[in-house]
Amino acid sequence: GAVVSQHPSWVICKSGTSVKIECRSLDFQATTMFWYRQFPKQSLMLMATSNEGSKATYEQGVEKDKFLINHASLTLSTLTVTSAHPEDSSFYICSARVGPDGNTIYFGEGSWLTVV
Amino acid sequence: AQKVTQAQTEISVVEKEDVTLDCVYETRDTTYYLFWYKQPPSGELVFLIRRNSFDEQNEISGRYSWNFQKSTSSFNFTITASQVVDSAVYFCALSEVLKAAGNKLTFGGGTRVLVKP
Repeated sequence: GAVVSQHPSWVICKSGTSVKIECRSLDFQATTMFWYRQFPKQSLMLMATSNEGSKATYEQGVEKDKFLINHASLTLSTLTVTSAHPEDSSFYICSARVGPDGNTIYFGEGSWLTVV
Repeated sequence: AQKVTQAQTEISVVEKEDVTLDCVYETRDTTYYLFWYKQPPSGELVFLIRRNSFDEQNEISGRYSWNFQKSTSSFNFTITASQVVDSAVYFCALSEVLKAAGNKLTFGGGTRVLVKP
């Protein structure tokens, strides 16, 4: 079964509104989670590293104020797309490290965001 | 900087044919991990394998097999006797060993595999 759960699986929102995507680790604690973005027929692009209890680390070119990441607990990280625009429409997917050495990386189911 | 190259963007085969997906990587680290993930049309990423840089043994899991050759920085993936359900995009990825900043995966561009009945 899934070890990382993402919600919602898909969401449609109006331009200018904000939308929140949740990423949960199931049955394990994840001090670090990762958020990726994927455009159609392209590879995954790392947006940010979400650290429990501290600020996220954003990749170059990713707007911090646009993509708010909160990792308030050891099992939940959230990505909020603020003031969404149609160009934010994409597939967003999170991941977390699993295993005794932390080097197996599992992904959530992903969230399809459509901004109209 | 790390880099993963999957030269084949799309491969089309007929069911029961074998298909090999190439993956070439670049890293300055001597210790690292390599991954393969499957992404079906539904979007989720399915973990297939993880291999660390010190383990060059080839691995077989059912119809899947992997050939890791450190000398050529390659980690190729073969699907034997392909089936329609194998149709998906397959990603090769590279990760540095656990560091304070956490493991960041560097993905290849992906190879779309289409298996026709």
